[in-house]
Amino acid sequence: SQQGEEDPQALSIQEGENATMNCSYKTSINNLQWYRQNSGRGLVHLILIRSNEREKHSGRLRVTLDTSKKSSSLLITASRAADTASYFCATPTGANSKLTFGKGITLSVRP
Amino acid sequence: GAGVSQSPSNKVTEKGKDVELRCDPISGHTALYWYRQRLGQGLEFLIYFQGNSAPDKSGLPSDRFSAERTGESVSTLTIQRTQQEDSAVYLCASSPQPNTGELFFGEGSRLTVL
Repeated sequence: SQQGEEDPQALSIQEGENATMNCSYKTSINNLQWYRQNSGRGLVHLILIRSNEREKHSGRLRVTLDTSKKSSSLLITASRAADTASYFCATPTGANSKLTFGKGITLSVRP
Repeated sequence: GAGVSQSPSNKVTEKGKDVELRCDPISGHTALYWYRQRLGQGLEFLIYFQGNSAPDKSGLPSDRFSAERTGESVSTLTIQRTQQEDSAVYLCASSPQPNTGELFFGEGSRLTVL
């Protein structure tokens, strides 16, 4: 079963709107990461939030982490067509802390 | 180059053939990971290298899959007697040290087994 599960599975918004994506996980973590994947490409790291942090910002990205609910959200403000991609949350799991990824959210931003 | 390099970018093979996929990590990165991504799906962990040893190979789906790494450099993922269900994108990632967060991904090798 997936450690991280994102919702919604797909999101379609108009350029300029905000996009909110959620991730839930099952086990205790020391950090949670979000990645973006453009169609046919590899994954690109967006942001990492540690378990002792509640919120983190990077440009138009805002990530929150609620360890009591085992959930995180990724907010992209003032979306652009170039934000169209799949977004994945990932958490370190197991003895070697390998990253376990969710199934991803497909974001479409209409120009 | 500056990033993780994978080759071939695309490979079409016939069922039953062996394939080798190559990953050149970022220079100096000691940790290297292989993941598999089926169409429209998330990433499945396959194997993790620290240096040239593989402390975690728990994700390899069968004994047809194997991987090796030369020092802290190139890694090769080998799939023997390929099956149609092996069709996927195989992604390689590296990081400066294990457990330090960000992974740097290559563009992947798309494998199609006919």
